[in-house]
Amino acid sequence: DSGVTQTPKHLITATGQRVTLRCSPRSGDLSVYWYQQSLDQGLQFLIQYYNGEERAKGNILERFSAQQFPDLHSELNLSSLELGDSALYFCASSVGPSGLGYEQFFGPGTRLTVL
Amino acid sequence: AQTVTQSQPEMSVQEAETVTLSCTYDTSESDYYLFWYKQPPSRQMILVIRQEAYKQQNATENRFSVNFQKAAKSFSLKISDSQLGDAAMYFCAYRSEVGDDKIIFGKGTRLHILP
Repeated sequence: DSGVTQTPKHLITATGQRVTLRCSPRSGDLSVYWYQQSLDQGLQFLIQYYNGEERAKGNILERFSAQQFPDLHSELNLSSLELGDSALYFCASSVGPSGLGYEQFFGPGTRLTVL
Repeated sequence: AQTVTQSQPEMSVQEAETVTLSCTYDTSESDYYLFWYKQPPSRQMILVIRQEAYKQQNATENRFSVNFQKAAKSFSLKISDSQLGDAAMYFCAYRSEVGDDKIIFGKGTRLHILP
């Protein structure tokens, strides 16, 4: 158990819908990262927040957005869902910016299925 | 941009034998981290081993060791005394020490352990 929690574990929804994935980082961790794992794209970095502020952005679609709240939990919002958005979404957390050597710890993931 | 390449989509090894998974990467940076992550059927991402680029000594964690060749940009993982529990998807990954905190993953190698 990494200490990172993600809810829900599984999510099944229809095209065009909007969903919210939630992540609680390890106690004391200020950075939160979101990754998407899909069959065709593999594991891709989406976005990072550090202490409430967006720090880095990857290949995140405009239909996707995220935020980190004052209690440091983070939410990833996916809207106008398409079949291709079906994937495993990981949240990871670290004490600080990884450039200082801090490790990223991964949560168990949320499996999103878009029908 | 940095890239990570795993040229072996699948590998098999007999239980108790030794297997080596290959990984090459491309970067213009001199300071970075390299990782091997294990993803068992549970889908959890588990850090197996980590190597700092500035360290010449190869990292070792119990039955897992790496062969880090910085000039050749090669980072292979050796698993000794393979066990059934080692069956998983293995991802080679890269993270810069400066700037962006994202982890860049290879496509993965699926390792089968034959009893």
